[in-house]
Amino acid sequence: NAGVTQTPKFRVLKTGQSMTLLCAQDMNHEYMYWYRQDPGMGLRLIHYSVGEGTTAKGEVPDGYNVSRLKKQNFLLGLESAAPSQTSVYFCASSPAGLAGGINTGELFFGEGSRLTVL
Amino acid sequence: LAKTTQPISMDSYEGQEVNITCSHNNIATNDYITWYQQFPSQGPRFIIQGYKTKVTNEVASLFIPADRKSSTLSLPRVSLSDTAVYYCLVGDPDQTGANNLFFGTGTRLTVIP
Repeated sequence: NAGVTQTPKFRVLKTGQSMTLLCAQDMNHEYMYWYRQDPGMGLRLIHYSVGEGTTAKGEVPDGYNVSRLKKQNFLLGLESAAPSQTSVYFCASSPAGLAGGINTGELFFGEGSRLTVL
Repeated sequence: LAKTTQPISMDSYEGQEVNITCSHNNIATNDYITWYQQFPSQGPRFIIQGYKTKVTNEVASLFIPADRKSSTLSLPRVSLSDTAVYYCLVGDPDQTGANNLFFGTGTRLTVIP
């Protein structure tokens, strides 16, 4: 019953460093997403993927890159971290569409990754 | 992008029924209304989804008027553990893209003993 797993859960970076957040899901979902959440604010979509090998920009994509080489994994990269990227990052996955009313398009979220950029 | 408007915060005493209303004036024909709950330091969790009229599950009820320009999440007899942020989302789950993934700032519900 792993669901959506994010690694690492905590990370501290210096400005200019790079890092990658890994999201893995074991539910065979087609869609995967990366959100960021800043204190007292809602979630904002960074990038998303509708299938293996595809990615698309969300609401706040600048400064981030993503890759979906395998269906079960969605990677979020920061090439040159900035203090403005200090946030909690959430990964989510969902099945594709309503599938004739069977699915609700429900998003399943990971527990979050807290990133601090000094 | 189907945008929603919710109250920023609400307070309620334990045992009361809580109703959180969400406005979505530009909802499209194929859009569904979905509510999520988020506890501190956790990812959001799906609560309920509906298209029209009323939907009820073991956790909540969702009331949607005929014009679908608003919806109300009803939590019966809240307890302290219902203290959380509640998000209303509007979009077409059958469509790819970000149009159904806009969370906004949500409503922070605080349940008081």
